[in-house]
Amino acid sequence: SQQGEEDPQALSIQEGENATMNCSYKTSINNLQWYRQNSGRGLVHLILIRSNEREKHSGRLRVTLDTSKKSSSLLITASRAADTASYFCATVNSGYSTLTFGKGTMLLVSP
Amino acid sequence: GAGVSQTPSNKVTEKGKYVELRCDPISGHTALYWYRQSLGQGPEFLIYFQGTGAADDSGLPNDRFFAVRPEGSVSTLKIQRTERGDSAVYLCASSFAGDGGAFFGQGTRLTVV
Repeated sequence: SQQGEEDPQALSIQEGENATMNCSYKTSINNLQWYRQNSGRGLVHLILIRSNEREKHSGRLRVTLDTSKKSSSLLITASRAADTASYFCATVNSGYSTLTFGKGTMLLVSP
Repeated sequence: GAGVSQTPSNKVTEKGKYVELRCDPISGHTALYWYRQSLGQGPEFLIYFQGTGAADDSGLPNDRFFAVRPEGSVSTLKIQRTERGDSAVYLCASSFAGDGGAFFGQGTRLTVV
């Protein structure tokens, strides 16, 4: 089963624009993580936000978490063609360490 | 090694055959995860190890699938009597304690013909 649901399923923007992806989940979480995947192979961990945090930054990435709405957003600022990839949110549920992924958002950044 | 290593990178097998997929996690990582991913889908959880024991195997689809991690490092995912529906990319990941970010291998693409 998959915990998170990303929105939109696909996003197409121009270089320099900002990209926002959203994730909703169902159960109480310990933390929420965002990953990037190129070409359908290995995933790369981008950022982790814990349930007691509301916002986190890492370079051009900004993640927010709203536990009352069970949702998170990932903002990529000043996007580049190299940001083209699929992005997944994943949750670690309270009391467990299993990492459960959503279906992902496919981001296309055109030069 | 520096990262999570999965072998083989590609495996083609005939329906009904037995396959083993290997994962070498990052040294010192106690948590190890197996996922499988079909085209256009997110990684589907299979099993999670904490040390040598399976802490959560609720994602294994049926009793044809089994995984071991006898010494708390290398893990093997075993699939018996393979079916065409088992075709997917099988991903392995490890993390230091199961509470932080996970590091993924490049996956094994399994094709059952």
